[in-house]
Amino acid sequence: KAGVTQTPRYLIKTRGQQVTLSCSPISGHRSVSWYQQTPGQGLQFLFEYFSETQRNKGNFPGRFSGRQFSNSRSEMNVSTLELGDSALYLCASSTMGQGYEQYFGPGTRLTVT
Amino acid sequence: QKEVEQNSGPLSVPEGAIASLNCTYSDRGSQSFFWYRQYSGKSPELIMSIYSNGDKEDGRFTAQLNKASQYVSLLIRDSQPSDSATYLCAVRTGANSKLTFGKGITLSVRP
Repeated sequence: KAGVTQTPRYLIKTRGQQVTLSCSPISGHRSVSWYQQTPGQGLQFLFEYFSETQRNKGNFPGRFSGRQFSNSRSEMNVSTLELGDSALYLCASSTMGQGYEQYFGPGTRLTVT
Repeated sequence: QKEVEQNSGPLSVPEGAIASLNCTYSDRGSQSFFWYRQYSGKSPELIMSIYSNGDKEDGRFTAQLNKASQYVSLLIRDSQPSDSATYLCAVRTGANSKLTFGKGITLSVRP
């Protein structure tokens, strides 16, 4: 099975712009979670989607939003980018089996200048 | 109190030694426990999952869970330099709850 894929892998944006990141889960996985990872804050949960519905949400401002499509692919959007949004954005998809094991994609490295 | 806490690092062990990584969690209702390994510049990789009290072994890795004491640990036997990475503990309370991660601990295995 192919793993979780994320596009683009690297992105450079200017403060004030907006960005959309894409995630394709492992085939058969219906849950997709998004995380922001920075050296200082570690891995921080953004939101989780299951069957096109947001199931859980982290403590991020409304500038961060996401959605999931009927094929389980997911996108996240960050509007009005700030310098502090520079981070590695990780997407993970989960099985439906015991424990709902979560598998990560390679991430999108976003740099805001 | 932090939801998932990992003992402070970094941790350095000589090659061939046993590395012991510990994690405590605050929600007594937690049901699923995971260990991820993350190499520098890479994404986290799931290496162990454990759901019941006791030990679970997979090659050189052993996960230990004690729900009464609310801790989960990871033992790495015969540590190799290739085990040098950051190890993240993650806990899920229920089927529809999010996965909560600890801050991670960096392990360095000295040749």
